[in-house]
Amino acid sequence: SQQGEEDPQALSIQEGENATMNCSYKTSINNLQWYRQNSGRGLVHLILIRSNEREKHSGRLRVTLDTSKKSSSLLITASRAADTASYFCATDRNFNKFYFGSGTKLNVKP
Amino acid sequence: DAGVIQSPRHEVTEMGQEVTLRCKPISGHDYLFWYRQTMMRGLELLIYFNNNVPIDDSGMPEDRFSAKMPNASFSTLKIQPSEPRDSAVYFCASTTTSGRSNEQFFGPGTRLTVL
Repeated sequence: SQQGEEDPQALSIQEGENATMNCSYKTSINNLQWYRQNSGRGLVHLILIRSNEREKHSGRLRVTLDTSKKSSSLLITASRAADTASYFCATDRNFNKFYFGSGTKLNVKP
Repeated sequence: DAGVIQSPRHEVTEMGQEVTLRCKPISGHDYLFWYRQTMMRGLELLIYFNNNVPIDDSGMPEDRFSAKMPNASFSTLKIQPSEPRDSAVYFCASTTTSGRSNEQFFGPGTRLTVL
C-alpha cells in the first residue's frame, strides 16, 4: 500500500509550543499534501510539497520532504488552541488518486 | 462559491434500507471523489470521477455500493441494501486540473448510522 502513516497518533502540547508531526509512505510520489480536520468537519488543505522540493513554508507551517527516506514532517510553530485538530498527510502517485494516512490528533492546551 | 455541498448531513437508517448520499462539487472542478472515514480504517477512497466519468472504483467495498455522476454538478453514492458496518462518515471532495495544485476541497460529510 502507498498509504502514508502519521506519527505520533496523538500529541498534546501547551499553547505557544511547537508541534511536529511525521508522515512515512512506501512508494514513489508526485506530491505530498497535509490536511487538517477539525472535529465533525471535512478536511482542509494546508500545504503541498512536490517530490522535487525539500522544504516549504506557509505562515506558521513548515513542511519538509525527504524522498530518500520516504518521509515528511509538518511543524506548526507557536501553536494556538485553535490548532487543535487531526492532521493528515496525503500522497499521490498519479495526479489525483490520493492515499491518506491515519492522522495525528493534536491537542493544544490553552 | 459555497464549496462542496453534501446532503444529508446526518442519516440514520435501518439495516436493509437503501441509502442515497448526494454531492454538489465546486463549479468548474472536473474531478470528484467519494471517501469513507471510520475510526478503524481511517479515510478510504471509494471512487473518483473525471469529467463525470468513473475512473477508478477499486475502493468500492462491495456491489451494494454504487456511484453515479449524471452531470458536472451532481453525484450520488448509493448503498443498497445497507448494513451496520456501513456506518461511517462519507465525504465528497472535488478538485480541478487547471491549476498547478491538485488540492482537494472537501464537503462537510454525511454521517451515516445503520441500525
